[in-house]
Amino acid sequence: EIQMTQSPSTLSAFVGDKVTITCRANESIRDWLAWFQQKPGKAPNLLIHKTSRLHRGAPSRFSGSGFGTEFTLTITSLQPEDFATYYCQQCNSFWSFGQGTKVEMK
Amino acid sequence: QVQLLQSGAELRKPGASVKVSCRASGYTFTSSEINWVRQAPGQGLEWMGWMNPNSGNAGYAQGFQGRVTMTRDTSTSTAYMELSGLKSVDTAVYYCARLGVGVVQNTFDIWGQGTMVTVSS
Repeated sequence: EIQMTQSPSTLSAFVGDKVTITCRANESIRDWLAWFQQKPGKAPNLLIHKTSRLHRGAPSRFSGSGFGTEFTLTITSLQPEDFATYYCQQCNSFWSFGQGTKVEMK
Repeated sequence: QVQLLQSGAELRKPGASVKVSCRASGYTFTSSEINWVRQAPGQGLEWMGWMNPNSGNAGYAQGFQGRVTMTRDTSTSTAYMELSGLKSVDTAVYYCARLGVGVVQNTFDIWGQGTMVTVSS
């Protein structure tokens, strides 16, 4: 099973900040990486697939990059509705998730 | 509107089994795999397995093999996940999720609302 590690586990930020979350795989997953946003009591919501492709309806302030074993999710100007937990998911060999990064208000 | 609608919350005793349903609407049920993911309280997401609604074939994550069965009923566009030998650590929200179609490749684009399964004596 491919192990995914996210950092940081928690991130405190202000509205308007630029935020970056990192996700690392323990072996190459090429560009088969997705990002999800989850709010309390709700199902995860797909934001980005295949490393950098914005899912329909996801705001353009979200972007993704990376290849192989290291990936990032960037939010260019944090909005109030972006305070949530974010998960990366490898899609190269079956599926597995990072442990999550909670973005909280500073 | 494409959606997955799951069955309601369940309470089971240790050692029992639970069967959760996931009814698809708004798309051709047999066109895409259904996956199951669970989330223990305050924890992250754990992939459990996949099921192909067209063939009925299924594959399970190593930690669930021998204890989980994923099936479907194509006449009602419903997928099922049955977990046996329940323990308290199986207390979680269980989600079904559709494998993406078209431009969304290899990940889960539509999720059910989740089903809370509580295991307690």
